[in-house]
Amino acid sequence: QSALTQPASVSGSLGQSISISCTGTSSDIGYYNYVSWYQQHPGEAPKLLIYDVTYRPSGVSPRFSGSRSGNSASLTISGLQAEDEADYYCSSFTTGNTLEVFGGGTKLTVL
Amino acid sequence: QVQLVESGGTLVKPGGSLRLSCAASGFFFNDYYMSWMRQAPGKGLEWVSYMSSSGYSMYYADSVKGRFTISRDNAKNSLYLQMNSLRAEDTAVYYCARSFPRGMPQEYWGQGTLVTVTS
Repeated sequence: QSALTQPASVSGSLGQSISISCTGTSSDIGYYNYVSWYQQHPGEAPKLLIYDVTYRPSGVSPRFSGSRSGNSASLTISGLQAEDEADYYCSSFTTGNTLEVFGGGTKLTVL
Repeated sequence: QVQLVESGGTLVKPGGSLRLSCAASGFFFNDYYMSWMRQAPGKGLEWVSYMSSSGYSMYYADSVKGRFTISRDNAKNSLYLQMNSLRAEDTAVYYCARSFPRGMPQEYWGQGTLVTVTS
């Protein structure tokens, strides 16, 4: 059971926009501005897409954006491309000894 | 460019021990906080352990506390994970990652090394 809750799957057509939700608690997403999103293609290591809710590391496409409201966060991908098909994980800093908690992951299918 | 290369993963029996290594290059290793992450087959990501740049601060997930030990050798640009009393549920791909100073997020990841715990 993951600490954060994500939908198991989402899908969208080429060129469309989709959002992936991530729900936590007042001890993680709701308390810290430290929500991150990772992208993982099959057989590859995860790649950091978003950190601190809305910031993109250098080299990440501006088609990826993040937001937060209360105990939930969202990743929005605009202008869907075939290469966006991957698993997406949210994470948050949290109170206690576990520094980073994750969602269970969302499989994005591009139609 | 930043490179992290893990090694040491293999098949091991329950109760056994294993030491993973991570060779870092492309950045000044001494300045950065480092972590170990893992992903069980077909499952999600799990934070395992974290060490500060100096090596003085370290944290562990409850699932590995008392069994795993993180360490680093800044002179060798290397990070290590000593894993003892291994259990079937420790079976996973283990990733070395460069972390933000607070321990997350993981800015760069290695390609991972597979640890399989089975009798």
